[in-house]
Amino acid sequence: DSGVTQTPKHLITATGQRVTLRCSPRSGDLSVYWYQQSLDQGLQFLIQYYNGEERAKGNILERFSAQQFPDLHSELNLSSLELGDSALYFCASSARGGPPDTQYFGPGTRLTVL
Amino acid sequence: AQSVAQPEDQVNVAEGNPLTVKCTYSVSGNPYLFWYVQYPNRGLQFLLKYITGDNLVKGSYGFEAEFNKSQTSFHLKKPSALVSDSALYFCAVRVYGGATNKLIFGTGTLLAVQP
Repeated sequence: DSGVTQTPKHLITATGQRVTLRCSPRSGDLSVYWYQQSLDQGLQFLIQYYNGEERAKGNILERFSAQQFPDLHSELNLSSLELGDSALYFCASSARGGPPDTQYFGPGTRLTVL
Repeated sequence: AQSVAQPEDQVNVAEGNPLTVKCTYSVSGNPYLFWYVQYPNRGLQFLLKYITGDNLVKGSYGFEAEFNKSQTSFHLKKPSALVSDSALYFCAVRVYGGATNKLIFGTGTLLAVQP
């Protein structure tokens, strides 16, 4: 158990809908990362937050947004969902958000868009 | 562009035999390299990392990895494979530059250990 928690574990929804994925980092970690894992794209970095502020952006669609709250938990919002958004979404956390931190991953949220 | 390659989609090895899962990288500057393992329906578990220093890095569950700068490789090894090592293994490199710590992952190698 990495200490990173994600809810929900599974999410099934329809195209066009909006969902929110939640992540709680390990105790004491200030940085949160979001990754998407799909069969065709592999594991891709989406976005990183450090102590409430966005630090880096990856291949995140404009329909997706995220934030990190004062208690350091983070939410990833996915809107206008398409079939291709079906994937496993991972949250990771690290202590300071910079090198050479190790990122510890949560169990993931499996999103199915029908 | 920075990248990581895992040239083998699958590695098959008999229990008790040594195993190697290959990884090569292309980065600017000094690489920070990581290995993670993913079991079915689970998240990624950290195995080990190379930051600097000794080229042989020891990690969890008896795994180790050898950093080779001239060959730009970071192969994962274990002297004696267990059936329970069967899983998906990912090599990753930290993107160089700035304060970010984002990782680029390889495509993954499925390790199958036969009893």
